[in-house]
Amino acid sequence: DAGVIQSPRHEVTEMGQEVTLRCKPISGHNSLFWYRQTMMRGLELLIYFNNNVPIDDSGMPEDRFSAKMPNASFSTLKIQPSEPRDSAVYFCASRSSRMNTEAFFGQGTRLTVV
Amino acid sequence: GQQVMQIPQYQHVQEGEDFTTYCNSSTTLSNIQWYKQRPGGHPVFLIQLVKSGEVKKQKRLTFQFGEAKKNSSLHITATQTTDVGTYFCAGRRSSNTGKLIFGQGTTLQVKP
Repeated sequence: DAGVIQSPRHEVTEMGQEVTLRCKPISGHNSLFWYRQTMMRGLELLIYFNNNVPIDDSGMPEDRFSAKMPNASFSTLKIQPSEPRDSAVYFCASRSSRMNTEAFFGQGTRLTVV
Repeated sequence: GQQVMQIPQYQHVQEGEDFTTYCNSSTTLSNIQWYKQRPGGHPVFLIQLVKSGEVKKQKRLTFQFGEAKKNSSLHITATQTTDVGTYFCAGRRSSNTGKLIFGQGTTLQVKP
């Protein structure tokens, strides 16, 4: 298995632009997580899905952030409009809740908003 | 809400010295997991602890889960330069929820 796949790996965008981050979870995993990592705040859980349904989005910073999971093999995290304070590494992770296993992380997307 | 606190934030040790990071939760946990993130990398799972008072070992790494299931520790004996990275604990409040809350992490630097 290729693991959790995220794209792009790096994104540089101007303030005010829309940014879309993509994630393909490991096949067979039914839980998917979006995390944001910064030096100041560490690893923050933004949202997680179970069986494609958003279960907890209490970590989503504000209305500028939205996440979707249209099917079991794809999820997006969108920021519109982006701001410099959104600069961070965004990780997607997946796991199988049925097997009570660990979370597998993707390589992350390093977002820079200038 | 549930919080997982981890100390220290940073630790610099001489190669061969021991290292310990501590994790405390504001609520009782169903289980706790430990991850390691190398510089520039992504978190990678190390181990999961489920039972009260559980102790697990992986070579030079010893993991403990407190009796009250609210705290945990990771101890590395005789650190090596390959141990460099950030160590995260992550707790789940209930076995029925997938929500995994990470501590802030402890970044370990090892001087050769």
